Amino acid sequence: EAQVTQNPRYLITVTGKKLTVTCSQNMNHEYMSWYRQDPGLGLRQIYYSMNVEVTDKGDVPEGYKVSRKEKRNFPLILESPSPNQTSLYFCASRTSSDREGYTFGSGTRLTVV
Amino acid sequence: SQQGEEDPQALSIQEGENATMNCSYKTSINNLQWYRQNSGRGLVHLILIRSNEREKHSGRLRVTLDTSKKSSSLLITASRAADTASYFCATDRTGANNLFFGTGTRLTVIP
Repeated sequence: EAQVTQNPRYLITVTGKKLTVTCSQNMNHEYMSWYRQDPGLGLRQIYYSMNVEVTDKGDVPEGYKVSRKEKRNFPLILESPSPNQTSLYFCASRTSSDREGYTFGSGTRLTVV
Repeated sequence: SQQGEEDPQALSIQEGENATMNCSYKTSINNLQWYRQNSGRGLVHLILIRSNEREKHSGRLRVTLDTSKKSSSLLITASRAADTASYFCATDRTGANNLFFGTGTRLTVIP
């Protein structure tokens, strides 16, 4: 089944403790992206990647890192999480064509205390 | 920054009725997409309309695009209780390699 898999689904952590949210897609998509969703603010892009080793900042990149060493994986790294990073996170992917929509993962609900 | 603004923010209808949601955006686009999200779950792509298209259909969905007014509408015909969800428009902006989402319309279909 074609899908984007995120892990973990839920995570509670403490301020300052480094964490990684993994994202993997099995569709050979070139493009991958991370979003956070907050009430009243909608979805905002954190980082995106056009292909392996090509990443760029989205609208809200502060406090986050990403890497794209393999085509299928695009992990989101929070080096020193803070409470304002408590949010619902989504990974998404698509082909290089602009004629197709994005496939989203099921989301990771992160709470930083 | 968000590109799209949906209207209304919330909509409640009876099963069998049609639901119309509107989206406005600010800059030139390659395409506009509509997504559905069930409470706290991942977004599901519904339909994509390119900037040179004016109308598109997919099952019970009908999307229109007016680039001169920078607006789009999503019509769901013969709604079902299972259509209850939040609906988002998203714009693929010209010259950018990302997708910008609006704040969504919360649709409730009453059985």
